[in-house]
Amino acid sequence: DTGVSQDPRHKITKRGQNVTFRCDPISEHNRLYWYRQTLGQGPEFLTYFQNEAQLEKSRLLSDRFSAERPKGSFSTLEIQRTEQGDSAMYLCASSLGGQSEKLFFGSGTQLSVL
Amino acid sequence: AQSVTQPDIHITVSEGASLELRCNYSYGATPYLFWYVQSPGQGLQLLLKYFSGDTLVQGIKGFEAEFKRSQSSFNLRKPSVHWSDAAEYFCAVSLAGTASKLTFGTGTRLQVTL
Repeated sequence: DTGVSQDPRHKITKRGQNVTFRCDPISEHNRLYWYRQTLGQGPEFLTYFQNEAQLEKSRLLSDRFSAERPKGSFSTLEIQRTEQGDSAMYLCASSLGGQSEKLFFGSGTQLSVL
Repeated sequence: AQSVTQPDIHITVSEGASLELRCNYSYGATPYLFWYVQSPGQGLQLLLKYFSGDTLVQGIKGFEAEFKRSQSSFNLRKPSVHWSDAAEYFCAVSLAGTASKLTFGTGTRLQVTL
């Protein structure tokens, strides 16, 4: 399978714990995005990378959130001191960039904070 | 700020019937416009996109959408719905030239009856 893969598919944690998600983009894609989707809502942009550089972060990304893409390949999204409001589906997408780029989305990581 | 409105939360159609899903956007300039479909347990898949040119765009799976600047709309249509089209449909916009940073609507859930 050469699509975007995300791990884990589901994560249940207790409030206050730290969690980390991983995204493996399509291998030749230089752009990688993170979105968050809550129940009944559309996905919301969080941040994106061009290779290893994080080029933009949304105001939604509080100080407890950090994303990395150390070698321009896979990316991790860490949430520290989780809160119940962090419960959501975290989606990763990748693309080749360009004027008419097409985003390919992974199946997401469903986070439940108890 | 740009926004997207999908006024129909849930639509039910019979298999073989025609379908139209509504999307209105609010944005100062001409945005890029997209329709995505999300099936349970699967990632978002791009159905079609409008950047410029012909206002009637064709997508995958027999879908089409028409951009109407005067109405700030980008409605999705299909002449004959199949049971496999049951899914959540999202309209999205982006600032022209930044196709990656998408603003999504809240989605329309399509149910198909046999």
